Amino acid sequence: QVQLQESGPGLVKPSQTLSLTCTVSGGSISTGSYYWSWIRQPAGKGLEWIGRIYTSGSTNYNPSLKSRVTISVDTSKNQFSLKLSSVTAADTAVFYCAREAPVVYARHYYYYMDVWGKGTMVTVSS
Amino acid sequence: DIQMTQSPSSLSASVGDRVTITCRASQSIISYLNWYQQKPGKAPKLLIYAASSLQSGVPSRFSGSGSGTDFTLTISSLQPEDFATYSCQQSYSTPHTFGQGTKLEIK
Repeated sequence: QVQLQESGPGLVKPSQTLSLTCTVSGGSISTGSYYWSWIRQPAGKGLEWIGRIYTSGSTNYNPSLKSRVTISVDTSKNQFSLKLSSVTAADTAVFYCAREAPVVYARHYYYYMDVWGKGTMVTVSS
Repeated sequence: DIQMTQSPSSLSASVGDRVTITCRASQSIISYLNWYQQKPGKAPKLLIYAASSLQSGVPSRFSGSGSGTDFTLTISSLQPEDFATYSCQQSYSTPHTFGQGTKLEIK
């Protein structure tokens, strides 16, 4: 049973870079046609898709964050990471990592997030 | 970006009720639509993928339908553990946007 666990500082100062890591256990991050994703949720608000990475290193980012976001993967550690630069108070949120799995119907790949980490709260404040 | 709009934003219902939540996409997403359930302080849980496929382990009282721009999540007979927030998400194109969520409360 694959499990994900986020880790990183819970407090980041404005203008600094937020760095989080997601550790994958119970399976190899390199196995299968999975994307590895980051999602965030400000308090009392909806979910925001940040971006994802394939084990080949190919990435997709939310255009609203693209200039500030970097997602990377370390297959030797079975981890993937998020860096969000130049943070402000508006970046305060619970951050989740998740696995995006595909199902193939008529040669179309339908992706969905079937495994999630528990989430980690990150506050941006001086 | 594709905008996802859910209705209603909140809903009060009783145990045993049949409930329907609607999700509308700003353009056709064919059947690239997922539904998640989230309880306070917890991560989202996948219920439905590809518009109508039930995730393994999810009770059969949950069902999804729709294609193109209009989708529904139906709970056939509400159980106490179903009171939560439900969100739709499109996976047709990145960014894989979510709806704003529908909070289902006990009447």
